[in-house]
Amino acid sequence: VLTQSPKFHFAIPKEKVSITCRASETIGTNLHWYQQKQGQPPKLLIKYASQSVPGVPSRFSGSGSGTDFTLTISGLESEDFATYVCLQTRNFPLTFGGGTSVGIK
Amino acid sequence: QVRLRESGPGLVKPSETLSLNCSLSGGSVSSGGYYWSWIRQRPGKPLEWLGHMYNTWTKFYNPSVRGRCAISGDKSKNQFSLQLDSVTAADTAVYFCARAQAFNSETGALHFFDYWGQGALVTVSS
Repeated sequence: VLTQSPKFHFAIPKEKVSITCRASETIGTNLHWYQQKQGQPPKLLIKYASQSVPGVPSRFSGSGSGTDFTLTISGLESEDFATYVCLQTRNFPLTFGGGTSVGIK
Repeated sequence: QVRLRESGPGLVKPSETLSLNCSLSGGSVSSGGYYWSWIRQRPGKPLEWLGHMYNTWTKFYNPSVRGRCAISGDKSKNQFSLQLDSVTAADTAVYFCARAQAFNSETGALHFFDYWGQGALVTVSS
């Protein structure tokens, strides 16, 4: 089970935002972060906890291993208001976190 | 450029079978190296991985739907499909097809989902 917190976060542009994902058992670094906007499929932001993905702005970064992971957006842009979801691929069944919605304050 | 597109009925009656196809361009469902997957998003619920297949013959399913879920591939049409039997209102969801690079073609282990379809809304209602 992946538990994300907070469920909702209201922020202003340029703010630094951190979202956490906690796994119920150790998953190494087999944790990936996605951004999802209304009516669209998820878009890969960070792979393997901290590895960058080509084409994704450098303000998105990830950290963590084992059971605790963090996605950080350093300097929120207007296009970053969206839902962020974590995915673990270490164990079956593959599972997603419940999502964190980042909205405008 | 890999593109996936879901298609199928948007309305299914309770107790009937949900059937969706995923058409692939920019790649082949029969080529090695990838898992072809189905994932759904029910209203107010987290994304849920349903299952995936490798090269049309090796398949893995989520226990939550095992027994009533089948994923199959059609090499001639370069598409893969989802069938979900005995549906109820709880199966109402947006269904996505997706691709993931295989980590191990025998165990089902994969890296992460890198390409997704736009999603297809399926409503279960009489």
